[in-house]
Amino acid sequence: AAGVIQSPRHLIKEKRETATLKCYPIPRHDTVYWYQQGPGQDPQFLISFYEKMQSDKGSIPDRFSAQQFSDYHSELNMSSLELGDSALYFCASSFSGSTGELFFGEGSRLTVL
Amino acid sequence: GQQVMQIPQYQHVQEGEDFTTYCNSSTTLSNIQWYKQRPGGHPVFLIQLVKSGEVKKQKRLTFQFGEAKKNSSLHITATQTTDVGTYFCAGEGSRGAQKLVFGQGTRLTINP
Repeated sequence: AAGVIQSPRHLIKEKRETATLKCYPIPRHDTVYWYQQGPGQDPQFLISFYEKMQSDKGSIPDRFSAQQFSDYHSELNMSSLELGDSALYFCASSFSGSTGELFFGEGSRLTVL
Repeated sequence: GQQVMQIPQYQHVQEGEDFTTYCNSSTTLSNIQWYKQRPGGHPVFLIQLVKSGEVKKQKRLTFQFGEAKKNSSLHITATQTTDVGTYFCAGEGSRGAQKLVFGQGTRLTINP
């Protein structure tokens, strides 16, 4: 079965650079979530989209922005990167008509030097 | 805002021993979900509890949702080495909120 696809899997950036992460949800899933997970930490909710509209916002820095496109894929844009942004970024998708279970991608590991 | 606390942070057991992790929310939840994350992996859904006082079992795993829908627990009977990983509870404040708040997780390690 198709899973959530994230790219790139690994990304190395310098401070103050920008980065873009992409997420392709499971077909027919209408909700996309972005989570940030630091080493040894729990996933922190950043933002979610339902049917291409932002539905909820968590601890997402102002330097970050995200959107969901007409084909339902989503992108997380991060600017003015800081060392503390180094983390694993997970995208997850779900279908609102089901149990609400989140299907996670394998994550994009961002390292800021 | 909604907070979900989970204890213990770490648990090390001998293979065959039981394991329990507890989850408490600062607010009443519409539902609670449990995920398992293997080292180097991504969170994988285990179960969702919706009803007050609900108890669900999956083989050696027993999940409970409190009467007040503010706490939950996961109990593993007779742990096996394949149970190694971090177990997260995640709460949804209101149905369809599109925001799942994770607890800090309990990292389970097992001595074979």
